[in-house]
Amino acid sequence: AQSVAQPEDQVNVAEGNPLTVKCTYSVSGNPYLFWYVQYPNRGLQFLLKYITGDNLVKGSYGFEAEFNKSQTSFHLKKPSALVSDSALYFCAVRGPNRDDKIIFGKGTRLHILP
Amino acid sequence: DAGITQSPRHKVTETGTPVTLRCHQTENHRYMYWYRQDPGHGLRLIHYSYGVKDTDKGEVSDGYSVSRSKTEDFLLTLESATSSQTSVYFCAISETSTRDSQETQYFGPGTRLLVL
Repeated sequence: AQSVAQPEDQVNVAEGNPLTVKCTYSVSGNPYLFWYVQYPNRGLQFLLKYITGDNLVKGSYGFEAEFNKSQTSFHLKKPSALVSDSALYFCAVRGPNRDDKIIFGKGTRLHILP
Repeated sequence: DAGITQSPRHKVTETGTPVTLRCHQTENHRYMYWYRQDPGHGLRLIHYSYGVKDTDKGEVSDGYSVSRSKTEDFLLTLESATSSQTSVYFCAISETSTRDSQETQYFGPGTRLLVL
């Protein structure tokens, strides 16, 4: 069975500092991995995804994520946080089989402190 | 929100009444999904559709039914609403041009449902 975990309910980062939002996963086979962001009273917005290839994936708004197969992780990162990055972030995973569905993590609330 | 609208955006209803939520897309995408979002649970898949009249169950389908008579519309019905179905409901769509592009989902703005 596939699963995804976001170990931190909330992350606080000072503006201008680097940020990391953690995600670990479990699937049988090669994973499809995603990050989405949700701003208040809005739907989720796609940030980036890993399908295959380069382990470092670049996405929207200056975010990137690193796929680490040995640690089964896909942490979201940004070199310099902005107050406007404050939002709810979801990691998601899908297994390689046709019948596999995307599973979302429970979300991590990111607070960027001015 | 990627050409996806949901209606109504807010609804208050009473236990035992049927409720239908509508998702409408202008992207002509084949796949459509209904999720519910609850604190501590993230997003959970209720039902999804892979074409007109083709639907399947997700993780939390009990008490819900869906219909898709046209590519652009995907309806979610709570047959007899219960307080446990108080939630925020999101519709999502995804492309079909390649298997990889199929994986990216685009979400609607959500419907906030309160069952009293």
